[in-house]
Amino acid sequence: RKEVEQDPGPFNVPEGATVAFNCTYSNSASQSFFWYRQDCRKEPKLLMSVYSSGNEDGRFTAQLNRASQYISLLIRDSKLSDSATYLCVVNPSGSARQLTFGSGTQLTVLP
Amino acid sequence: GAVVSQHPSWVICKSGTSVKIECRSLDFQATTMFWYRQFPKQSLMLMATSNEGSKATYEQGVEKDKFLINHASLTLSTLTVTSAHPEDSSFYICSARAGGMRGEKLFFGSGTQLSVL
Repeated sequence: RKEVEQDPGPFNVPEGATVAFNCTYSNSASQSFFWYRQDCRKEPKLLMSVYSSGNEDGRFTAQLNRASQYISLLIRDSKLSDSATYLCVVNPSGSARQLTFGSGTQLTVLP
Repeated sequence: GAVVSQHPSWVICKSGTSVKIECRSLDFQATTMFWYRQFPKQSLMLMATSNEGSKATYEQGVEKDKFLINHASLTLSTLTVTSAHPEDSSFYICSARAGGMRGEKLFFGSGTQLSVL
């Protein structure tokens, strides 16, 4: 079983749609969680951290379910510029070396 | 602006040649930098941890004699792919950890797309 699993997609949605991505992780002792965005052949960029209480940043909402070892990202009112690959990232120990990346979910927002 | 600079962005080379990739932290000192490799539609895989002034720590399955890492200063780490072959074609990304005012964040270079013919 992969340490971090994501649905690879692709997700093709119309502008304005709401889309949700899911991610599961295998290490129950994992301490911190992130969503990164990666454009084609570019470096990953931190989108948001994920907290147990859930957190929201504009159109983006992230949630964590420790019991189910499950993380989600919800994007509301999708924009064309949201088209990218979204990486679920888990840090089991708090050490930067331990960052484990999911393979990403590809999103294309269509006009 | 970018806090980690990676060069070159693209490299096309013949099989058997060596390629050097540079990773610089521009406005902070990085005692530790990380090198990742990413194949198409796959996740970033950590190759090695580069430590300033000491030997790099390689992940299991990564050949240290093939992927030479030098971290000679607090702002520069280099990855040299020696005797590159087509199977080494990949996207290589470095990252550096910044502490202090930046709160232990991880910053990524812009990546290097290596194509070995």
